[in-house]
Amino acid sequence: NAGVMQNPRHLVRRRGQEARLRCSPMKGHSHVYWYRQLPEEGLKFMVYLQKENIIDESGMPKERFSAEFPKEGPSILRIQQVVRGDSAAYFCASSRGGSTTNEKLFFGSGTQLSVL
Amino acid sequence: AQSVTQPDIHITVSEGASLELRCNYSYGATPYLFWYVQSPGQGLQLLLKYFSGDTLVQGIKGFEAEFKRSQSSFNLRKPSVHWSDAAEYFCAVGLNAGNNRKLIWGLGTSLAVNP
Repeated sequence: NAGVMQNPRHLVRRRGQEARLRCSPMKGHSHVYWYRQLPEEGLKFMVYLQKENIIDESGMPKERFSAEFPKEGPSILRIQQVVRGDSAAYFCASSRGGSTTNEKLFFGSGTQLSVL
Repeated sequence: AQSVTQPDIHITVSEGASLELRCNYSYGATPYLFWYVQSPGQGLQLLLKYFSGDTLVQGIKGFEAEFKRSQSSFNLRKPSVHWSDAAEYFCAVGLNAGNNRKLIWGLGTSLAVNP
């Protein structure tokens, strides 16, 4: 009975490289959310996806960041040409239904990205 | 601007002692309030939430929290802490019923439990 699975747990990249973070939602969940926790800051919403659709990307940086949730396979958060400021913990959450406040979110254990 | 403050960055208590973790928010209307816990190597797990009604909310693992409008607080309590409660605790505020992704999160309080 796996929960939300994120991998890798830790990812180290050099400046200019690409980072790909993966998130497999809980079984039966078709809604995925990505959050970022920068040092000394609270969790910040980045993007909300359903299968094959980006519903809300209002929290995504305008450049270098993209997300997808294909029909098959995990959701991917992609960061191109990483910079030191991208170093953070990235959390994924999933829910069964829509994004009302009543809908319970289930979180993964996060990916810690370190940019050298 | 809306904000959530968890004044205590790190707290250490002895096993069996009582616990109170503080959470203060800044928002003009009645917010939706949450406490989450992140145990080492685990994802965030919802402990309890307050939407309306009784201001004393019971959650999982023996935790409770009380919403105090006059103090803009939603402090988390547990009468007797267990070693397994050592974790990071996050308070979050939802600003409306229609959007759970717009939660405002506190920075977290790290709890250590001494045997």
